[in-house]
Amino acid sequence: DTAVSQTPKYLVTQMGNDKSIKCEQNLGHDTMYWYKQDSKKFLKIMFSYNNKELIINETVPNRFSPKSPDKAHLNLHINSLELGDSAVYFCASSQDLTSEPQHFGDGTRLSIL
Amino acid sequence: SQKIEQNSEALNIQEGKTATLTCNYTNYSPAYLQWYRQDPGRGPVFLLLIRENEKEKRKERLKVTFDTTLKQSLFHITASQPADSATYLCALDKSNTGTASKLTFGTGTRLQVTL
Repeated sequence: DTAVSQTPKYLVTQMGNDKSIKCEQNLGHDTMYWYKQDSKKFLKIMFSYNNKELIINETVPNRFSPKSPDKAHLNLHINSLELGDSAVYFCASSQDLTSEPQHFGDGTRLSIL
Repeated sequence: SQKIEQNSEALNIQEGKTATLTCNYTNYSPAYLQWYRQDPGRGPVFLLLIRENEKEKRKERLKVTFDTTLKQSLFHITASQPADSATYLCALDKSNTGTASKLTFGTGTRLQVTL
């Protein structure tokens, strides 16, 4: 069984559109994260949530809105997509919000045309 | 500004040798350091975590050292195999016990193990 699963795996869309990426973890973890990995493979945290509560928001444009309906799910909605949003987006989870190993999904590759 | 540096060039070694990867950091006082492996098209996979008061950690063929004076961590893979070929990422976390973790990743070093 996949521990952290993201959908879709690939997302190709036009500039200006709105899109969502879904993430689910079946590990029973309390904390979930969104990361962005750019073309240079630099992995940077965007958000973290603990038990549905926002903990970290790394000065991400407010076009990005995470939503956590329950602690097993953390979705990412992006409005008015821009060319610079093209990247691979990774969801991750950890047991709690202290420094524990993080379990990553396999990423969603977002391409903006 | 805070900086985490890993060798940007690929590291090529022969099967059976020990691979040593370096993670250097500046303007940072991490409480924890983690190493992850990332294969093409996949998410990072956790390998080892070492705390600031630990000098060394081992797990099977893997060994990590953490020198807070030199501001450096070394990651060793002994008896390397072609299956060890991947990109290895170090990640630092300055959070203390009870505070929210925030990992800052290096850009990774690609390891290629050849027969």
